[in-house]
Parts: sequence; structure tokens; C-alpha cells
Amino acid sequence: KAGVTQTPRYLIKTRGQQVTLSCSPISGHRSVSWYQQTPGQGLQFLFEYFSETQRNKGNFPGRFSGRQFSNSRSEMNVSTLELGDSALYLCASSQGQTGVETQYFGPGTRLLVL
Amino acid sequence: GQQLNQSPQSMFIQEGEDVSMNCTSSSIFNTWLWYKQDPGEGPVLLIALYKAGELTSNGRLTAQFGITRKDSFLNISASIPSDVGIYFCAGPPLYNFGNEKLTFGTGTRLTIIP
Repeated sequence: KAGVTQTPRYLIKTRGQQVTLSCSPISGHRSVSWYQQTPGQGLQFLFEYFSETQRNKGNFPGRFSGRQFSNSRSEMNVSTLELGDSALYLCASSQGQTGVETQYFGPGTRLLVL
Repeated sequence: GQQLNQSPQSMFIQEGEDVSMNCTSSSIFNTWLWYKQDPGEGPVLLIALYKAGELTSNGRLTAQFGITRKDSFLNISASIPSDVGIYFCAGPPLYNFGNEKLTFGTGTRLTIIP
């Protein structure tokens, strides 16, 4: 099975712009979670989508949003970019069953905001 | 929010040495996951632990779920160059519902000295 894929791998934007990142989960996985990784804050949970609905959300401002399509692919959008949004954005997929599941991560999109 | 503290923060060892690292929490966890992240890549799941006291191996890696449910340990025996990377513990705290959210540890960076 192919793993989790993310596009693009690298992105450079300027402050005030908006950006959309894409994630394709492992085939058959219905849950996609997004994480932000920075040297200072480590790995932090953004949100999770399951069956095209946001199922849980971390403590990030409303500038961070996402959606999921019927094929389970997910996009994450950040509007009005700030310098502090520079980070590695990771998505992880799982089957989405209730209870604890292990999540499988993609390679990430590295975003640099200038 | 919930925080997982890992120690040590970094390790410098020689090839062939054994490695021990741990992860502690102020709250109870019902699952512990150990991930490894290589530079520029997403975390890869190494071992999952689901029961207090559980000891699980994956090749040269052995992890244990602490009896108090507030800690976990990872050991690597006879380290090799490809063990270099950052090791993260992670898990959903007991009060979380389902698998929506993973809290990650602060990471242990392993470097092998030639």
C-alpha cells in the first residue's frame, strides 16, 4: 500500500498571503489529522477530519482551517500568514475506528513565511 | 495543555552502545506510542503499547508501558548509524475520547559519534 502523501513538500510564502496544503491518506483510511511541528513548540495537533467532518480541533486560531473530501483526501488552509506559521506541517492517517488507533504520518510540507 | 517530558533531550553515543530514554506525564495515559523521525521526514511508528506493564520488542528496540501509566521507556540495543534521529513518545491521555488527538513528547535526539 502506498503511504501518506503530502504536497507540496516545500513552500515559501510572504506574510499576509494564504496557503493550501494537501494530504492523501493511506488507501482505506478515513481519518486524517494535521499537526504543526516547530523547534520551539514541538509537534502540536491542529485538527482531525473523519468522513468529511471535523471531529476534533486543537488550540489554533481560526486562520487555520481544513476540509476533507469524499475520497478522504484532506486540505489544510492557513490564511493571513504570519512569520510564526513557518513550520513543518504533517498529516497523519488512520482507519478512523473508535478507540485508540495508531496514526501513520506523511513526509510533511515545510512552509517558510518571509 | 497536556505535556509529555522526555529525557534525555539529546544523546551522543558510540556505535554499538545501548540506549535508554524515557517519557513521563503528569496525567495517566492508556496508550503509549513511540515514533522516530528522520530529518525532513514525518515520524514513523516504532512500537505501540496498550497495557500497563506491557513490554514489547521490535527488533533491537524494546519499550515498556510503566505500571503507574504515567511513563514509558524505550531501549535500543547495539546501536547502528541508522538509529540516528529524533525519538518521540506520544499518546492520547485518558480523558480524551477516541483517537482524535495525540500529544507528543519533547523528543530525544540521538547522535552516533564515529
